[in-house]
Amino acid sequence: GAGVSQSPRYKVAKRGQDVALRCDPISGHVSLFWYQQALGQGPEFLTYFQNEAQLDKSGLPSDRFFAERPEGSVSTLKIQRTQQEDSAVYLCASSLAQGPSYEQYFGPGTRLTVT
Amino acid sequence: AQKVTQAQTEISVVEKEDVTLDCVYETRDTTYYLFWYKQPPSGELVFLIRRNSFDEQNEISGRYSWNFQKSTSSFNFTITASQVVDSAVYFCALSESNTGRRALTFGSGTRLQVQP
Repeated sequence: GAGVSQSPRYKVAKRGQDVALRCDPISGHVSLFWYQQALGQGPEFLTYFQNEAQLDKSGLPSDRFFAERPEGSVSTLKIQRTQQEDSAVYLCASSLAQGPSYEQYFGPGTRLTVT
Repeated sequence: AQKVTQAQTEISVVEKEDVTLDCVYETRDTTYYLFWYKQPPSGELVFLIRRNSFDEQNEISGRYSWNFQKSTSSFNFTITASQVVDSAVYFCALSESNTGRRALTFGSGTRLQVQP
């Protein structure tokens, strides 16, 4: 398909485990965003890439969260030593260019449950 | 700081009724963009519309219409003759031009249930 894809769709982790969430943006999209969506809430920004450069990581909640996009396409969000409060849906979005006017296209999300 | 408020947590209507979803925003930027997204039960956010701060013309797309009023900092969304397939959570979002921040700021969403 031509949309944003994410894997896995569901992930259950025991507290203290490390997890890696993958995002495949739409081909050719320059900008890539990660958001965290808690149950019943709107998505909240985590981090932003323009090509391979991470230009904004102000939303990452702690140093246990790390994201990369080494070749400017696929991105991975890694959470180390998971805690119960990390349980949420993690959404990836991409947009064609870098400006704020461009709509973001979202993937289906990865639902992370930390037990 | 930017903020988006969707005061209606949940709305329930019967099919064919009209329904309006409210969105109020706060920003200090003079150039900004407003968006509406739909999140059906499958979970994927679907883009519906974008408006920029210089264009206050209302927009209509089929059964959907949007009313942007800078004077009240509102960007409301109306569905005419609602259908069961409109049942979803709807999010209003804001992005700013001059702050350099590219992220969307979302409201907390309004869950719309359309009963047959």
